[in-house]
Amino acid sequence: DAGITQSPRHKVTETGTPVTLRCHQTENHRYMYWYRQDPGHGLRLIHYSYGVKDTDKGEVSDGYSVSRSKTEDFLLTLESATSSQTSVYFCAISDPDRGSEAPQHFGDGTRLSIL
Amino acid sequence: RKEVEQDPGPFNVPEGATVAFNCTYSNSASQSFFWYRQDCRKEPKLLMSVYSSGNEDGRFTAQLNRASQYISLLIRDSKLSDSATYLCVVNKGTGFQKLVFGTGTRLLVSP
Repeated sequence: DAGITQSPRHKVTETGTPVTLRCHQTENHRYMYWYRQDPGHGLRLIHYSYGVKDTDKGEVSDGYSVSRSKTEDFLLTLESATSSQTSVYFCAISDPDRGSEAPQHFGDGTRLSIL
Repeated sequence: RKEVEQDPGPFNVPEGATVAFNCTYSNSASQSFFWYRQDCRKEPKLLMSVYSSGNEDGRFTAQLNRASQYISLLIRDSKLSDSATYLCVVNKGTGFQKLVFGTGTRLLVSP
């Protein structure tokens, strides 16, 4: 299995609080991604990173920010959590040297509940 | 219309059966294609990439029809352990991956 660790695995918090999710990889892959998965939707891309300090928005980026200060760590922050951000969050990595054929590999996920 | 569409199922089949899933995609410029498997409350895991010429991995066969913009997955000799949700995934990007995920087809294999 790809060396991807997400933390925390579960979190319950209140509306309006800040939340940070961490993704740590040991594969030294340049590309990292944050997705959310909700019933009735496929995984949807929140933000992605193609290198240290290089990040960009995905299709559902509103209310989220990211940071990547080291190759191995990609942080997702909800500045002021809302109930609509209750979801399962997955981090993924891929190797850009394989181009568009490269599959993405996923972490175990974080179950986040905003009350 | 969703960019990637799958029949949500569930497909209920007995052990040993052959089952096929189809997936259609809307972006004709899509570059690469994958099937992922996702067990309940787990992360998606790559099952296989899908190549233009079709490809096989043990009991699993994937086919791509670019003209009709659909992808198929065939599972032969189904096992109980094949019970899962199968995600059709399309990369519509070039260089950087822009994966679009279907909502998945659920398979239940019974004894």
